[in-house]
Amino acid sequence: DTGVSQNPRHKITKRGQNVTFRCDPISEHNRLYWYRQTLGQGPEFLTYFQNEAQLEKSRLLSDRFSAERPKGSFSTLEIQRTEQGDSAMYLCASSSGQAGSGNTIYFGEGSWLTVV
Amino acid sequence: SQQGEEDPQALSIQEGENATMNCSYKTSINNLQWYRQNSGRGLVHLILIRSNEREKHSGRLKVTLDTSKKSSSLLITASRAADTASYFCATDAQYSGGYNKLIFGAGTRLAVHP
Repeated sequence: DTGVSQNPRHKITKRGQNVTFRCDPISEHNRLYWYRQTLGQGPEFLTYFQNEAQLEKSRLLSDRFSAERPKGSFSTLEIQRTEQGDSAMYLCASSSGQAGSGNTIYFGEGSWLTVV
Repeated sequence: SQQGEEDPQALSIQEGENATMNCSYKTSINNLQWYRQNSGRGLVHLILIRSNEREKHSGRLKVTLDTSKKSSSLLITASRAADTASYFCATDAQYSGGYNKLIFGAGTRLAVHP
């Protein structure tokens, strides 16, 4: 399978614990995006990377959230001291260039987080 | 905040009928993309229409774009039960950071009954 891969697919954690999600983009894609989606809503932009550089970070991403893409390939999204409001699906996507140039953005299957 | 708004929020039709979903947005865009999402799954890209295009087809899908009205529509012809899903429009515009990113609406939930 050569699509965007996300792990784990499901995570249940207790409030206050830290969680980390991993995303492996499509090979050779230099752009990587993280989105968050809650039930009944559309995906909300969190952050994106071009290669290893984090180009933009949404105000939705509080200090408890950190994303990295150390070698410009896979990325991790860490949530520290989780809260119940963090329960959502975290979607990763990748593309081969700027969306403005008309390149399709491909999404992974998402990682479901439930904070209890 | 979300850029696009889809209308209707939910749509229920019979197999064989056509389904039309609309999307309105607020700012100038480079392109607009439609995605499909089955329950609990990731998003699947359906079609991209550039700001200088007015209509685009892909199989049973037809997308229109009216930049003067800042609106787009997705038409699914001869719908099938397998088309049951949520459909999202996403606008690609250049924001204050100087970079482009997709901003999604809340989606239209389509139910196609056999």
